[in-house]
Amino acid sequence: DVKVTQSSRYLVKRTGEKVFLECVQDMDHENMFWYRQDPGLGLRLIYFSYDVKMKEKGDIPEGYSVSREKKERFSLILESASTNQTSMYLCASINRAGWPYEQYFGPGTRLTVT
Amino acid sequence: AQSVTQLDSQVPVFEEAPVELRCNYSSSVSVYLFWYVQYPNQGLQLLLKYLSGSTLVKGINGFEAEFNKSQTSFHLRKPSVHISDTAEYFCAVSRLTGSYQLTFGKGTKLSVIP
Repeated sequence: DVKVTQSSRYLVKRTGEKVFLECVQDMDHENMFWYRQDPGLGLRLIYFSYDVKMKEKGDIPEGYSVSREKKERFSLILESASTNQTSMYLCASINRAGWPYEQYFGPGTRLTVT
Repeated sequence: AQSVTQLDSQVPVFEEAPVELRCNYSSSVSVYLFWYVQYPNQGLQLLLKYLSGSTLVKGINGFEAEFNKSQTSFHLRKPSVHISDTAEYFCAVSRLTGSYQLTFGKGTKLSVIP
């Protein structure tokens, strides 16, 4: 079974803090993605990575950065958290050789910035 | 660029009644089509996908969807819903080649009433 895990299910941070959201997949997938999910807006792509140390901006990268030092781990970084970054964050991964089969999603991290 | 429109944000339906969740997409190139389901406090799970061939595709949990190229639609149906189908449903598209990004609709919340 493919497993995508996220370091926290719930996180509360203060405005201005640096926040790290971690995602780990155990199936040697090349591509990994970070989405944010907001009510009425669906899922929007923040960043994705197609290999170690490689990254591409998605549709809403402003205020975020990412890091992929190892193939299994993809980190989302909020350099200075703001209240408008309060959201659900979902990580996903795919096996490129298996495309166009499904993206596998983690359970999500609900981040609240106060 | 692609876009996805889910025409209903909320759909209430009585248990054992049929349901249709509507999805229309826009794209200048051919796309793959997906339906995902999100149960409360969980990540996304693939219900079904259309890649090519027969326009009627069957998925898990008794769901099916029909691809209509002329109407650029991919509506999701189930002939008889159960309480456990209460969830949020997302329609998504992806280009056939290039990146492996999914573009999601805003979601439809299905509420099954006992």
